[in-house]
Amino acid sequence: ETGVTQSPTHLIKTRGQQVTLRCSSQSGHNTVSWYQQALGQGPQFIFQYYREEENGRGNFPPRFSGLQFPNYSSELNVNALELDDSALYLCASSLKAGGRLGTDTQYFGPGTRLTVL
Amino acid sequence: AQSVTQLGSHVSVSEGALVLLRCNYSSSVPPYLFWYVQYPNQGLQLLLKYTTGATLVKGINGFEAEFKKSETSFHLTKPSAHMSDAAEYFCASQGAGTALIFGKGTTLSVSS
Repeated sequence: ETGVTQSPTHLIKTRGQQVTLRCSSQSGHNTVSWYQQALGQGPQFIFQYYREEENGRGNFPPRFSGLQFPNYSSELNVNALELDDSALYLCASSLKAGGRLGTDTQYFGPGTRLTVL
Repeated sequence: AQSVTQLGSHVSVSEGALVLLRCNYSSSVPPYLFWYVQYPNQGLQLLLKYTTGATLVKGINGFEAEFKKSETSFHLTKPSAHMSDAAEYFCASQGAGTALIFGKGTTLSVSS
């Protein structure tokens, strides 16, 4: 069984640029959640996708957007990068049984380290 | 709104000593609760979870946690620390639906 994978591992961008991060979910999972982890902090929820639709969003501006594909993989896009966007971006996949409001156990990938200069 | 508080940003123990990492949650209804571990430059690994039923939950690597509703706590313990336990530990809660709400984390150091 393949776990959650993310690409790229590291990324360096300059302020104002756009970035796309990718996540492949664990086999059998239908839900992907994205988190931002700033240095020395706990992860903060960005948004979740359930069966290709956004299913909840944290306190992040609209320049953070996402997609989920029919194979349940996902992308996180960030436009107009700011210095404070420098962080570890974590993707978690899960199997949400019982509909979009069902609880689930989330399994995390290794993360993408984004540095904005 | 849900919140998670981890008491002590840094805990130091000797190898073989008891490990106790504290977590308190704030929620109008008992949430699902989780402990994750993060090794340097890696993602989060699930240690254990509480959903319903038995309040003492056993996880991987000899860790366990007890859900105490009256104290709104979910403290993580391990009877005997090993050098390989040195890492960052995160407590998280989840209500109905989506997001995990994480605490700020506790760094565990283990000395020989």
